[in-house]
Amino acid sequence: QSVLTQPPSVSGAPGQRVTISCAGGSSDIGAGHDVHWYQQLPGKAPTLLIFSNIVRPSGVPARFSGSKSGTSASLAITGLQTEDEAEYYCQSSDSNLNLVFGGGTKLTVL
Amino acid sequence: QVQLMESGGGVVQPGGSLRLSCAASGFSFRSYAMHWVRQAPGKGLEWVASVSHDGNKQVYADSVKGRFTISRDNSKKTLYLHLSSLRPEDTAVYFCAKFEVVGYYLDHWGQGARVTVTP
Repeated sequence: QSVLTQPPSVSGAPGQRVTISCAGGSSDIGAGHDVHWYQQLPGKAPTLLIFSNIVRPSGVPARFSGSKSGTSASLAITGLQTEDEAEYYCQSSDSNLNLVFGGGTKLTVL
Repeated sequence: QVQLMESGGGVVQPGGSLRLSCAASGFSFRSYAMHWVRQAPGKGLEWVASVSHDGNKQVYADSVKGRFTISRDNSKKTLYLHLSSLRPEDTAVYFCAKFEVVGYYLDHWGQGARVTVTP
């Protein structure tokens, strides 16, 4: 069982907007620890998508955005494209500064 | 560019041992903490262990504490994970990853090494 809670799946049509939630608690996200997002394409290693809640690494399209409030965070993807079909994971830190992950959300582009 | 390349995966019997390696290039390896993260078949990501930039501090997930050992050789730019007393539930793809300490995230990942524990 993952420390952070994500919906198992979300879906949307090309061009639409989807959001993926990441719920934590008072010892991780709620304690002020940043949230980061990773994209894992089928059969590939994860890659960093959003760091420090809202920052996109170089090369990540502006269609991807992150936010954080209280004990939760969200990843938004606008203008969905077929190549966005992947598994998405949130990550934060716990009270011992160990890394904690969400269970992952599978995005299906209809 | 940053490159991380795992090796050493394979099939091992329960109770057996294995050593994974992660060869790093494209960055100052000795300056960064490194982590191992695993992914069981069809499952999500699970943090396994971390080692400080100088190798002096190691931290482990409860699920592997006492059985796995993380280490590094900065002269060889290589990260290691020694897996012992292996259990079927340790079957997973093991990823090494470079840690960005300022933000507490993993900014580069290797392609993974598959470990299968089966009788």
